Amino acid sequence: EADIYQTPRYLVIGTGKKITLECSQTMGHDKMYWYQQDPGMELHLIHYSYGVNSTEKGDLSSESTVSRIRTEHFPLTLESARPSHTSQYLCASRGRVGGSTEAFFGQGTRLTVV
Amino acid sequence: GENVEQHPSTLSVQEGDSAVIKCTYSDSASNYFPWYKQELGKGPQLIIDIRSNVGEKKDQRIAVTLNKTAKHFSLHITETQPEDSAVYFCAASRGSGGATNKLIFGTGTLLAVQP
Repeated sequence: EADIYQTPRYLVIGTGKKITLECSQTMGHDKMYWYQQDPGMELHLIHYSYGVNSTEKGDLSSESTVSRIRTEHFPLTLESARPSHTSQYLCASRGRVGGSTEAFFGQGTRLTVV
Repeated sequence: GENVEQHPSTLSVQEGDSAVIKCTYSDSASNYFPWYKQELGKGPQLIIDIRSNVGEKKDQRIAVTLNKTAKHFSLHITETQPEDSAVYFCAASRGSGGATNKLIFGTGTLLAVQP
């Protein structure tokens, strides 16, 4: 069982609200990622971090922002939610554990903006 | 940029049959190729991975093959069971040595195993 947690699991929120999706891992991984997954299944990388104070934009443009103040925490924020932000958001972490480079995923947050 | 193509997008097999999913990657520097299984309502979970210095790897009913020259790798599931029904993703990465080690995912395959 992976030690990476996302909250909330489900969120329904009105247009214009500010929201923060939480992601925490207790494995000491330096690399963390946010993916957006549409109903068509495909995983789109929207943000990643290689360590504290490191954040980069992913391959898919997103209006969200991220921060990495602590190794274990990688929250994603939307300043003003819109219906187009409705999607599944998956957080992942990766690091050398026993020589493995396996990425571990959280359960995801399903966001609906009405 | 780097990309990974995955086929087929959907696959339906009878219980007990084999299933094969194929991926092609573009970045010749990739050297780590994991496969993930995503069940409904859950995040993807690693089921098997292979490194570029190995041509094939097996774990019970699951095997992965890699052809570095052709930049192809495949997932083989034998004796499929209904619980194998899920979305499967392949991925490619340059490994863990440096900063440029993003996991590039394929587009996913929805596998349905009919009882």
